[in-house]
Parts: sequence; C-alpha cells; structure tokens
Amino acid sequence: GDSVTQMEGPVTLSEEAFLTINCTYTATGYPSLFWYVQYPGEGLQLLLKATKADDKGSNKGFEATYRKETTSFHLEKGSVQVSDSAVYFCALSWSQGAQKLVFGQGTRLTINP
Amino acid sequence: DGGITQSPKYLFRKEGQNVTLSCEQNLNHDAMYWYRQDPGQGLRLIYYSQIVNDFQKGDIAEGYSVSREKKESFPLTVTSAQKNPTAFYLCASSIRTSGADEQFFGPGTRLTVL
Repeated sequence: GDSVTQMEGPVTLSEEAFLTINCTYTATGYPSLFWYVQYPGEGLQLLLKATKADDKGSNKGFEATYRKETTSFHLEKGSVQVSDSAVYFCALSWSQGAQKLVFGQGTRLTINP
Repeated sequence: DGGITQSPKYLFRKEGQNVTLSCEQNLNHDAMYWYRQDPGQGLRLIYYSQIVNDFQKGDIAEGYSVSREKKESFPLTVTSAQKNPTAFYLCASSIRTSGADEQFFGPGTRLTVL
C-alpha cells in the first residue's frame, strides 16, 4: 500500500541554520504531496503542497519540490527561527476518489536561540 | 471566525466505558475525518464522511463508531471494544470530498483511559 517515510527525529538546530527534513513516498502513480506542521498542543496546519511532478510548494520561507524520479518531497528552509519549533508531517493523497491523507511519522524540530 | 472545534480538550475515562468525542465545523465543508495520533507516530485515519448520513471506515476503524446526521457535526465514539484507546484524537474537514484540497484540523482531544 501507499506509505510515507520521514527522516528520524528529533532534529535540533541553532537559529539561522539551514533546515532539511527528508521525505520519501511509496505509491502507484503520482499522488499529491503535502507538508503539515503541528505546533505544541495544537492541531495540524497545512504548510505547503504540490500536486504534480516538478511542482514546488512554498510558504513562510519553507520550500519542497515534488521529485518523481526519487519519489521525494524534502522540506527545506534557508534560515530557521525559534518559532519554527514544531512537529512536521509529510503526507500524500490522491486527486481521484475520497481524499484520504497518508502521513509519515512526523519529525520533531527544535530551534535553539 | 470559521473553524473546527473539538471538545473536550482532555478526557479521562475508566476502562470499559464508551466515550464520545465532539467535532463541529462551521466552514460549510462537505468532508470530515477522524484521525488518531500516538506518540512518535503519524496520524492514522479512523473514519471519514463525504456527505451527510454516509461514512466509511479508515485504516483503524475497529472499536470506533461515528455518525453524520448534520453537515456540521461528526462525533466519534470510542467503544469498550477498542483495545488501546489512550491517544490524541484529531478531527479534520475539507471543502470537497476529493482532490488535493487542504484539510483543516481541530485542536484535538487527548483521551486517557485509566
């Protein structure tokens, strides 16, 4: 079945460091790909998405590019802030049929000042 | 403000008791979803509903039940048949029932079974 694998956490960085969180997927065909973020004690919020190969999603300084050759959707940010500390989830869904999200296990990110 | 509300935020129950978690949305979304989140794991889909009076099982529906009598409401009952009910439960909705639309999440209910 479909699955999403994220890099193991937790990840701890200093403020202004470069961030990469790896995400790869296994699916038959070309799903839509998402990054959701969960701040402490809250539900999830959509961070960015891409619906077809080579699309780049971006928001709040974060970027991710849909790479079908490597079945990847890695999240990057050039200069992280303390306020970026959260848990990040990579997910996929299909454009046809019911929209059921398949999530990775999440990566906890802590940014130190 | 439009959004999704879940209540209560924290819920404690004794083993063997059924418990119902509330989820209400005022976004006029057609689709609603229930997910379970366990520590160090991603979210897993319990049930989803694409339209009033209709719902489908997700990946881990055993021990849970739902209803969708109104568009705005999608309550989840955790029954005594659920072997390990202690978890964080998240409700979500999306404007359509298919496609790559954003799902909007509520703040969650943390259920602890004693």
